[in-house]
Amino acid sequence: KQEVTQIPAALSVPEGENLVLNCSFTDSAIYNLQWFRQDPGKGLTSLLLIQSSQREQTSGRLNASLDKSSGRSTLYIAASQPGDSATYLCAVRGFQKLVFGTGTRLLVSP
Amino acid sequence: EAGVAQSPRYKIIEKRQSVAFWCNPISGHATLYWYQQILGQGPKLLIQFQNNGVVDDSQLPKDRFSAERLKGVDSTLKIQPAKLEDSAVYLCASSSSGGRGTGELFFGEGSRLTVL
Repeated sequence: KQEVTQIPAALSVPEGENLVLNCSFTDSAIYNLQWFRQDPGKGLTSLLLIQSSQREQTSGRLNASLDKSSGRSTLYIAASQPGDSATYLCAVRGFQKLVFGTGTRLLVSP
Repeated sequence: EAGVAQSPRYKIIEKRQSVAFWCNPISGHATLYWYQQILGQGPKLLIQFQNNGVVDDSQLPKDRFSAERLKGVDSTLKIQPAKLEDSAVYLCASSSSGGRGTGELFFGEGSRLTVL
């Protein structure tokens, strides 16, 4: 059974810092991994999708990497802004289903 | 391109009452999902449709929850009778088909249910 863990559960940083969010999974037999952002009271917004054959994906200030063999993915946010404050979730798609982590709650203070 | 549409956004009911949520996926997306998200937790899959067929409903409490996908497009999720522990946000998502629906997932805004 796939288990997905996100550490830390919460993170508070000052504006302008570069930061890394971590996602680890137990079963390396995956199709892809997707990072989402969730604002309070809202649905999930897709940030990046990494297929199992890829090592990383970039979108603007965001960079996500995938290391299947070690069961890890990282989301790198460059030059953080207060608008980046949200909960970030990773989701791993394996043979059976898409499994979500519990998220990292990020607060970027001005 | 229109996103995933859900309604209602908010619903408050008393326990043992019934409720229904509606979802319209992105046009052309064959795969539709319903997730339950309890406060502070990640979303949990309730049911996955591929066109109008059920792919996975292993975590759907079938004694009280039911879902259907009409003509492979819109979907309705029903809870009857509701329990206090059903208070959650119900998220609908869709993706283009890639064999087992391995495409990127797009979510709606969710329907927040409060059971009193």
